[in-house]
Amino acid sequence: EAAVTQSPRNKVAVTGGKVTLSCNQTNNHNNMYWYRQDTGHGLRLIHYSYGAGSTEKGDIPDGYKASRPSQENFSLILELATPSQTSVYFCASGGLGGRQDTQYFGPGTRLLVL
Amino acid sequence: QQKVQQSPESLIVPEGGMASLNCTSSDRNVDYFWWYRQHSGKSPKMLMSIFSNGEKEEGRFTVHLNKASLHTSLHIRDSQPSDSALYLCAASKAGNTGKLIFGLGTTLQVQP
Repeated sequence: EAAVTQSPRNKVAVTGGKVTLSCNQTNNHNNMYWYRQDTGHGLRLIHYSYGAGSTEKGDIPDGYKASRPSQENFSLILELATPSQTSVYFCASGGLGGRQDTQYFGPGTRLLVL
Repeated sequence: QQKVQQSPESLIVPEGGMASLNCTSSDRNVDYFWWYRQHSGKSPKMLMSIFSNGEKEEGRFTVHLNKASLHTSLHIRDSQPSDSALYLCAASKAGNTGKLIFGLGTTLQVQP
């Protein structure tokens, strides 16, 4: 199964601070994704990428930036963190399109913004 | 409004019983469906996928798909306490590279 790792696993940040969440995959998948999961809202797509150097806006991109410097790495950046961004964040890779859209998720990062 | 709707929101079944979960897409353009399972405190993991009309069975798990109604269902027979989890349905559109639309999920509790 695809291996996706995330760091940090837990993070406490202050309002207005900068937060960077990192994701690494070792399966040479072209596509990578960032989601957040909140009770009552399910999994919501923040940003995604089709390959190194590309980033695309998902359904809820406001307040977030993304960076894909290499095939393996995809970062999510909160320039000015707010309490509303307290959530569990999942990175995923895969999704070659069509029947190969299976996404493989990392273990998640719990972010608390105080 | 959720484009992928799941029912019921929660379900309790006895150990050894049958659990039936439903998922319908209101987006007529979806072609493929996935079921993910997420244990408490863990990440979602793909359980089964179905792309064609009909039925697919893997062990105790069976999925059905009716493309005309864009309805899929997941059935778990001989349910075990370890099956207690959040079950997420996801759909994607042909040609829409890699984006999945997730439902809110069904929380299954299997009581010993």
